[in-house]
Amino acid sequence: SQTIHQWPATLVQPVGSPLSLECTVEGTSNPNLYWYRQAAGRGLQLLFYSVGIGQISSEVPQNLSASRPQDRQFILSSKKLLLSDSGFYLCAWEGAGETQYFGPGTRLLVL
Amino acid sequence: QKEVEQNSGPLSVPEGAIASLNCTYSDRGSQSFFWYRQYSGKSPELIMFIYSNGDKEDGRFTAQLNKASQYVSLLIRDSQPSDSATYLCALKRGYNKLIFGAGTRLAVHP
Repeated sequence: SQTIHQWPATLVQPVGSPLSLECTVEGTSNPNLYWYRQAAGRGLQLLFYSVGIGQISSEVPQNLSASRPQDRQFILSSKKLLLSDSGFYLCAWEGAGETQYFGPGTRLLVL
Repeated sequence: QKEVEQNSGPLSVPEGAIASLNCTYSDRGSQSFFWYRQYSGKSPELIMFIYSNGDKEDGRFTAQLNKASQYVSLLIRDSQPSDSATYLCALKRGYNKLIFGAGTRLAVHP
């Protein structure tokens, strides 16, 4: 069966510091992968998606970037965090029938 | 107009009752719809998806889709306190993008 991992689970970072969040998927090959952000009390916003190694599509202009160095690894990065980057970051993979399954998420607080 | 609209709630129902959660959408061309449940502090988990007009049942859950009226709903029969969560409606846009509503908070009280 497929499993999706995210780390760290929680993160507190100062404004202006760099960020690296990692997502890995097990039990599937060449999955479509997604990064979402959920601000407090808000819906999910798609940030990036990837259909393969090195292939990244950005949905929202921002100071975040994404990379996919390996088939089942998806990384979300920032060179300098802003207060507005705080939120719940969710990685998802796409299974059969266009369904997306979410990882456990990383809660980021920028101070 | 938001692409996917949900009443934020809370929707409060007694244990054992039917909870009815509704979602409307603006893009008449939308074809695929999804319901997720999200417990406080946790990530969303997929409950059901529906592509065709009509009802789709899975255990205590029934999804209903009416493309002509542009709404999709989720019925939860025999509601339990463990069903208390936020329910997110989503639709597929194009090949890759899911558009989410802000969610409806459901509270099932004993």
